[in-house]
Amino acid sequence: AQSVSQHNHHVILSEAASLELGCNYSYGGTVNLFWYVQYPGQHLQLLLKYFSGDPLVKGIKGFEAEFIKSKFSFNLRKPSVQWSDTAEYFCAVNGVTGGGNKLTFGTGTQLKVEL
Amino acid sequence: GAGVSQTPSNKVTEKGKYVELRCDPISGHTALYWYRQSLGQGPEFLIYFQGTGAADDSGLPNDRFFAVRPEGSVSTLKIQRTERGDSAVYLCASASQRGPQETQYFGPGTRLLVL
Repeated sequence: AQSVSQHNHHVILSEAASLELGCNYSYGGTVNLFWYVQYPGQHLQLLLKYFSGDPLVKGIKGFEAEFIKSKFSFNLRKPSVQWSDTAEYFCAVNGVTGGGNKLTFGTGTQLKVEL
Repeated sequence: GAGVSQTPSNKVTEKGKYVELRCDPISGHTALYWYRQSLGQGPEFLIYFQGTGAADDSGLPNDRFFAVRPEGSVSTLKIQRTERGDSAVYLCASASQRGPQETQYFGPGTRLLVL
C-alpha cells in the first residue's frame, strides 16, 4: 500500500520569505509524484509533477520540487512567496507498479502568506 | 471549455435518503476517478473507471456506495441510505489515460451534508 506524509499542517510566512513544504511517501516501487494546490474557493489544480528523468521539477508560479529517491521525499519549494500563494497544498503519489492509477494524497498543508 | 464539471455543487439531505452526484469529465478523457475529501484531510480514492467499466472500486467504503459510467463519459456516484458520516466533498477527476504517466484534472466537487 502507498501512503503520503506531509509534516507541516499549517505554515505562516511573510511575503518574500522562502518556502519549503515537506512530503514523504511510502511505496516499494516506481512512483509518479504530484503537488496539487487549492486556492480559497477554487478546486484542486496541478502545481507540478514528476514522472521520470531530472529529479528537479519546475512547475507553475515559480514553484519547484525535488525528488530524492533515497529519502522517499518530494519537497516543494519556492524562493520567495507572494500573498497570492495563500492556499492549501497537497502532495500525492501514484504507484506505477501495482498501485494502479489512483492517487494517494497527504493531509495537506495550509499556507498563509502575510503582507 | 472545459474542465471537469460536477453537479450539484452542494447537496443537503437527511439521514437515510438516497443521493446521486454527477461528474462530467473533460471531453475525450477515458479515465475517470471519484475521491472523497473529509474536513482536514486529503482526498481519498473511491473508484476508477476506464471507459465504461470500473477498473478499481477498492476505495468504496461499503455497499451503500455505487458508481456508473454507462456511456464512457458522464459518471454518477450513488449513495443509498445516507449516514451523517458520508458528509464530505466528493471530487471527480479525469485523465486522458496515456499509460502510467497520466495527470488527473479535478472538478470543483460536490459538498454533501447529511443531516
